[in-house]
Amino acid sequence: DAGVIQSPRHEVTEMGQEVTLRCKPISGHDYLFWYRQTMMRGLELLIYFNNNVPIDDSGMPEDRFSAKMPNASFSTLKIQPSEPRDSAVYFCASSLGAGNSPLHFGNGTRLTVT
Amino acid sequence: GDSVTQMEGPVTLSEEAFLTINCTYTATGYPSLFWYVQYPGEGLQLLLKATKADDKGSNKGFEATYRKETTSFHLEKGSVQVSDSAVYFCALVNYGGSQGNLIFGKGTKLSVKP
Repeated sequence: DAGVIQSPRHEVTEMGQEVTLRCKPISGHDYLFWYRQTMMRGLELLIYFNNNVPIDDSGMPEDRFSAKMPNASFSTLKIQPSEPRDSAVYFCASSLGAGNSPLHFGNGTRLTVT
Repeated sequence: GDSVTQMEGPVTLSEEAFLTINCTYTATGYPSLFWYVQYPGEGLQLLLKATKADDKGSNKGFEATYRKETTSFHLEKGSVQVSDSAVYFCALVNYGGSQGNLIFGKGTKLSVKP
């Protein structure tokens, strides 16, 4: 299995621009998670889906952030408009089932907003 | 609410030294406990887990025992290698809480010198 695939690996954009991060979970996994990692705040859960349905988006920082999962093999995280404080590494993860099931992380997208 | 507290890093050791990274938790009910590892430039990956009191998780020479009486899950390795240099995250998931929602500690960076 190829694992969780995220694209792009790096994104540099200017403040005010729209940014779209993409994720392909492991085939057959029914949970998908978006995390943000920064030095200051550590690892933060933004949103997660179960069977393509958003379950908990309480971690989404502002209305500028939105996430979709149109099908079981694809999810996007969009920031519009982007701001310098959005600079971070964004991880997508998937799991089969909940609870004890391990999360499988992608290698992340490093976003820099100038 | 539920939480995980890890020892502050960074931790710097010489090769073949003994490693302990402390982790304590606060949770209602009976959480499952995990250690995840993040190598440079990669996403997190599950290192080991324990699902009930007195369980010992082990993998790649690392061990951690679920101690309910002290609410702890300390990570240990008898002889570290340079290749163990990474950031280690303690985490829990509680069935009493949001399904599929792992709570992570802030991470402890380990550097092993040859």
